[in-house]
Amino acid sequence: DTGVSQDPRHKITKRGQNVTFRCDPISEHNRLYWYRQTLGQGPEFLTYFQNEAQLEKSRLLSDRFSAERPKGSFSTLEIQRTEQGDSAMYLCASSTPGQGTYNEQFFGPGTRLTVL
Amino acid sequence: RKEVEQDPGPFNVPEGATVAFNCTYSNSASQSFFWYRQDCRKEPKLLMSVYSSGNEDGRFTAQLNRASQYISLLIRDSKLSDSATYLCVVNNANSGYALNFGKGTSLLVTP
Repeated sequence: DTGVSQDPRHKITKRGQNVTFRCDPISEHNRLYWYRQTLGQGPEFLTYFQNEAQLEKSRLLSDRFSAERPKGSFSTLEIQRTEQGDSAMYLCASSTPGQGTYNEQFFGPGTRLTVL
Repeated sequence: RKEVEQDPGPFNVPEGATVAFNCTYSNSASQSFFWYRQDCRKEPKLLMSVYSSGNEDGRFTAQLNRASQYISLLIRDSKLSDSATYLCVVNNANSGYALNFGKGTSLLVTP
């Protein structure tokens, strides 16, 4: 499968614990995005990378959220001191650089987080 | 006010029916417009881009009215397999490459 992959697919944790999710983009894609989707809502943008540079992070939900893409390939999203309100689907997407402001973003299957 | 507004539905239609979804966006600087489809518990997938001149892809027709900041999607001859949530999506230069999604409109096509 050459699509975007995410790991784990499901995560159940207790409030206060830290969690980390991984995203592997399509191999030739240098842009990588993280979104969060809660029940009944559309995905909400969190942050994005071009290669290893994090070019937008002001929309991360709080300082408990952080993301990295150390070698410009896979990325991780960490949530520290999880809260019940963090329960959601965390989606990763990737795209090619191309020209213009937009190139199609391909989404991974998501990581479903449940905070007890 | 959310940047992208959609009627959440649900829309329940019989097979073969024509159904139309509408969407409005608030940022006049928006540059790119799309419809994504999301099946239950799956990731969103691009259905089609939307252009000012209107565009068609088989049974699907998308229209954009920049003056009214309004986007539409028309599905003709609905199939059972069209049952999904349809997400209206907008991108603008101010938000970099972030996609701004509406809540989605749920469609159920029944036999």
